[in-house]
Amino acid sequence: EAGVAQSPRYKIIEKRQSVAFWCNPISGHATLYWYQQILGQGPKLLIQFQNNGVVDDSQLPKDRFSAERLKGVDSTLKIQPAKLEDSAVYLCASSLDIVWGTEAFFGQGTRLTVV
Amino acid sequence: QKEVEQNSGPLSVPEGAIASLNCTYSDRGSQSFFWYRQYSGKSPELIMSIYSNGDKEDGRFTAQLNKASQYVSLLIRDSQPSDSATYLCAVNMPNAGNNRKLIWGLGTSLAVNP
Repeated sequence: EAGVAQSPRYKIIEKRQSVAFWCNPISGHATLYWYQQILGQGPKLLIQFQNNGVVDDSQLPKDRFSAERLKGVDSTLKIQPAKLEDSAVYLCASSLDIVWGTEAFFGQGTRLTVV
Repeated sequence: QKEVEQNSGPLSVPEGAIASLNCTYSDRGSQSFFWYRQYSGKSPELIMSIYSNGDKEDGRFTAQLNKASQYVSLLIRDSQPSDSATYLCAVNMPNAGNNRKLIWGLGTSLAVNP
């Protein structure tokens, strides 16, 4: 079974530029998560999708971050404009269905450096 | 009170010893509980899941769940240097609108010394 795919693996951009990350979850997984992880900290949930609907985006900085999950499969996360403090690893994860309490599986992550 | 709490560590144990990692959670409606291991520069990987009270064993790992006391623990027997990593506790909790959310602790850093 293929795992969660993310791209790119690494990205370096200047502040005020825009960047987009892509995620393809495990086939059949209804729940998709985007996390931000700063070095030395646990993952911070940015947004959680159930199929193509948003169920939690309370910690998403909506003035600069946006995310979509068209057709309930792939998802993109965008930052525009980027700030220095956005430097982090962005992790995508998916689970069969959060309502059933199933475990989440992670992609390899995208390491973003904003200079 | 944080929703999921872990001691940040670092927890240091000698090779061959038992490492004990603890996690407490705030919501009694929590449904399922997970331990993930994260090596430096890598993504979290699932090592144990537990859904009901009691112990669950998988090789050198044992997860223990006590819903009355709202804690879940992970024991690693015969600790190896390769077990040195950050261990993250994740808890499935109720969320608004009959939804659920996965809440993470900050992780406990474990160092196994040869």
